[in-house]
Amino acid sequence: GAVVSQHPSWVICKSGTSVKIECRSLDFQATTMFWYRQFPKQSLMLMATSNEGSKATYEQGVEKDKFLINHASLTLSTLTVTSAHPEDSSFYICSASARGGSGNTIYFGEGSWLTVV
Amino acid sequence: SQKTEQNSEALNIQEGKTATLTCNYTNYSPAYLQWYRQDPGRGPVFLLLIRENEKEKRKERLKVTFDTTLKQSLFHITASQPADSATYLCALTRYNFNKFYFGSGTKLNVKP
Repeated sequence: GAVVSQHPSWVICKSGTSVKIECRSLDFQATTMFWYRQFPKQSLMLMATSNEGSKATYEQGVEKDKFLINHASLTLSTLTVTSAHPEDSSFYICSASARGGSGNTIYFGEGSWLTVV
Repeated sequence: SQKTEQNSEALNIQEGKTATLTCNYTNYSPAYLQWYRQDPGRGPVFLLLIRENEKEKRKERLKVTFDTTLKQSLFHITASQPADSATYLCALTRYNFNKFYFGSGTKLNVKP
């Protein structure tokens, strides 16, 4: 089945530094990738939608200058958390849309735990 | 705005029983409704998709129903097992799949 790989699985960084998270679709071309943030015991909160070769569409309340998204190819999207602060600590999940006979299906990465100290 | 609601935060059932989870939505009827399983610290895993013109979908011990009049989907796990314990999320999307609306999830606990 389709696989979406996310890297790194967990990262600890110092406050004020930037962190990059990669999301790759391993066996299909993903025209659309989504980035989510999830707090403990809460559902996924969509941060932005990115289409290959174009600028990401951010959800209301998400700072585009802080969460930089680059969708450079049909198999790779990156999320960079710039000038990270402790409140940015969270579980970040990406997903990729694969078009199939029954309609689009979304495949999720394993998530990346970010801890800002 | 579009809302997806899973009113039960947690559901506890005995092994062997059928678990039924509810997903309600407001505003427009989605083109597709999907169910996902999420284990702690992991990304969601796709389980089933049902279209707006479908009443029911089955996959092994899983069954999903879709009632556009009630604006509700039910997710059933028959002959539940402790390994089925996880959080289950429903998600709505329209035809263009440009946005997914997730519910907050229901944590299922199957006791042996």
